[in-house]
Amino acid sequence: QVRLVQSGAEVKKPGASVKISCRASGYTFNYYYLHWVRQTPGQGLEWMGMIGPGDGSTTYSQTFQGRVTLTTDTSTSAVFMELNSLTSEDTAVYYCARQFWSLDYWGQGTLVTVS
Amino acid sequence: DIQMTQSPSSLSASVGDRVTITCRASQGIRQDLGWYQQQPGKAPKRLIYAISTLEGGVPSRFSGSGSETEFTLTISSLRPEDFATYFCLQYGLSPWTFGQGTKVEIK
Repeated sequence: QVRLVQSGAEVKKPGASVKISCRASGYTFNYYYLHWVRQTPGQGLEWMGMIGPGDGSTTYSQTFQGRVTLTTDTSTSAVFMELNSLTSEDTAVYYCARQFWSLDYWGQGTLVTVS
Repeated sequence: DIQMTQSPSSLSASVGDRVTITCRASQGIRQDLGWYQQQPGKAPKRLIYAISTLEGGVPSRFSGSGSETEFTLTISSLRPEDFATYFCLQYGLSPWTFGQGTKVEIK
């Protein structure tokens, strides 16, 4: 079955960076775009960007442009989201999700706390 | 960016009630609208995509309708496991955007 498994919770200082992984299984990795979405109590769900696992093509939300980098490793069927210059407002649960029409399968979420 | 205005932000209902949640888009998004259910501490689960296509395994009491800028999720007869938060998502234009959510609570 399709699974997206994310790396564990992180605690970071303001100004630091965080890199979260999302490992896919149960389907052909290269065939589906993967997206990153974050959820905060204040802003709700925010779309951050997407990556084509096969060619590494990316599209980023302007909200995060310049601070977020999405990468892929086809050898391990993983995508990575790195967010720089963290502030307390980046405290959130971060999700990866697969695109089929909209977002069908989601990772379990990774809590990032900036404090 | 397309703004998705979801209403109501919360509602109280009883088991067996019919519930309707609305999302309005700030511009037309064709058929690129999905609905999600989220239980506390869990990832969102897709219920519907392309306005009205039910995800496999989702009960038929859930339905979606609408077009262009106004969309509706209906739960025909609320069950205990349906008490959750619901979100819409437009994926017609980048950046993809979500509604703010509707929390369905037990009356």
